[in-house]
Amino acid sequence: GESVGLHLPTLSVQEGDNSIINCAYSNSASDYFIWYKQESGKGPQFIIDIRSNMDKRQGQRVTVLLNKTVKHLSLQIAATQPGDSAVYFCAENGDSSYKLIFGSGTRLLVRP
Amino acid sequence: DADVTQTPRNRITKTGKRIMLECSQTKGHDRMYWYRQDPGLGLRLIYYSFDVKDINKGEISDGYSVSRQAQAKFSLSLESAIPNQTALYFCATSDLGSGGSTDTQYFGPGTRLTVL
Repeated sequence: GESVGLHLPTLSVQEGDNSIINCAYSNSASDYFIWYKQESGKGPQFIIDIRSNMDKRQGQRVTVLLNKTVKHLSLQIAATQPGDSAVYFCAENGDSSYKLIFGSGTRLLVRP
Repeated sequence: DADVTQTPRNRITKTGKRIMLECSQTKGHDRMYWYRQDPGLGLRLIYYSFDVKDINKGEISDGYSVSRQAQAKFSLSLESAIPNQTALYFCATSDLGSGGSTDTQYFGPGTRLTVL
């Protein structure tokens, strides 16, 4: 909803360009990572996930990169479209096999 | 996700009132979660449940209680609402991943709660 992300970092991109959203995770024990997309008035929607035995995973127009050395996760969106405008959250599992720790999110704005 | 529903979608109440938020799922998942979302803070876990007889506190359980009435239903209660409980509340479900590994959580549409 509109109350989410009032003070979020914002990435503004031109329609058709590629977007890269970054996330620094906190727990070196994390072995599972997820990216969620949240549109206004909706709940978080699963985009893509990756486990720590991988460095890269690709989906449809999205790629997640994992750098365990520096505890960094990124989400790349190819040919960004207006429908990609949303808040994007990364999440890690920490030292748990069932709980997720969410980042504070990044707002993606797509300019026509 | 239409498989996870939450009621009500919006609620305005007064300080001291008892409020119940309900969550239902048709995914057949065993695990259910309640989160709250505040601006700039992402999602924080309130309670979670692995099955009907299992209830666990999350990061911020004070002031909240839950009930797992059935595999498909998990309700969140605020016994005496206070203004700083004004937030977006999300229910999520997941299923045990292969080999007991962390599983993807699927979220409902959320409930916007305002406590005056």
